[in-house]
Amino acid sequence: DTGVSQNPRHKITKRGQNVTFRCDPISEHNRLYWYRQTLGQGPEFLTYFQNEAQLEKSRLLSDRFSAERPKGSFSTLEIQRTEQGDSAMYLCASRRGLGDTQYFGPGTRLTVL
Amino acid sequence: DQQVKQNSPSLSVQEGRISILNCDYTNSMFDYFLWYKKYPAEGPTFLISISSIKDKNEDGRFTVFLNKSAKHLSLHIVPSQPGDSAVYFCAASDEGSSNTGKLIFGQGTTLQVKP
Repeated sequence: DTGVSQNPRHKITKRGQNVTFRCDPISEHNRLYWYRQTLGQGPEFLTYFQNEAQLEKSRLLSDRFSAERPKGSFSTLEIQRTEQGDSAMYLCASRRGLGDTQYFGPGTRLTVL
Repeated sequence: DQQVKQNSPSLSVQEGRISILNCDYTNSMFDYFLWYKKYPAEGPTFLISISSIKDKNEDGRFTVFLNKSAKHLSLHIVPSQPGDSAVYFCAASDEGSSNTGKLIFGQGTTLQVKP
């Protein structure tokens, strides 16, 4: 049973560049979440997918952020025109259904120079 | 507004003793609570959870207590081991009326267990 995987693990980019992260959830988990964690804080919810449908987006998710989950399997999170304030750990989690545990991936650490 | 609060940024205990980590919440709609452990540069690892229909859940050295009237939960680790040293996050969700089950996290408590 493989866990949630995320790629890349680390990304360093210059301000203004676009970046894309990938999350592969645990197989058969139809619910997928993206969170963001900054230093000294707990993870904050960004967006939620049930299968391929994006059902909720946090107001933290500005219009520079877009997430997709084609075919209800892996998901991508893209940040356009990155800003230094986007530097954070981006975490993906998946679960089978409501009432089940959310399992997290190792995260992608983004540094915007 | 911080709906889930962990008021102690850090805690230090001696190996073999009990570690008690506390968490308070404000949203009475929360009905599912979890504790995660996190090492630097890794994702959170699930430890233990509790539903609002219970007041205690135990798993090995870890026990979570829920006091709904006080909107308070705590994680007890007995006995504490040096490998338990990590950041611990409390998280809550509204499973009953929410369609998403998104987690709301506290700020974390750094536990140090001294040999």
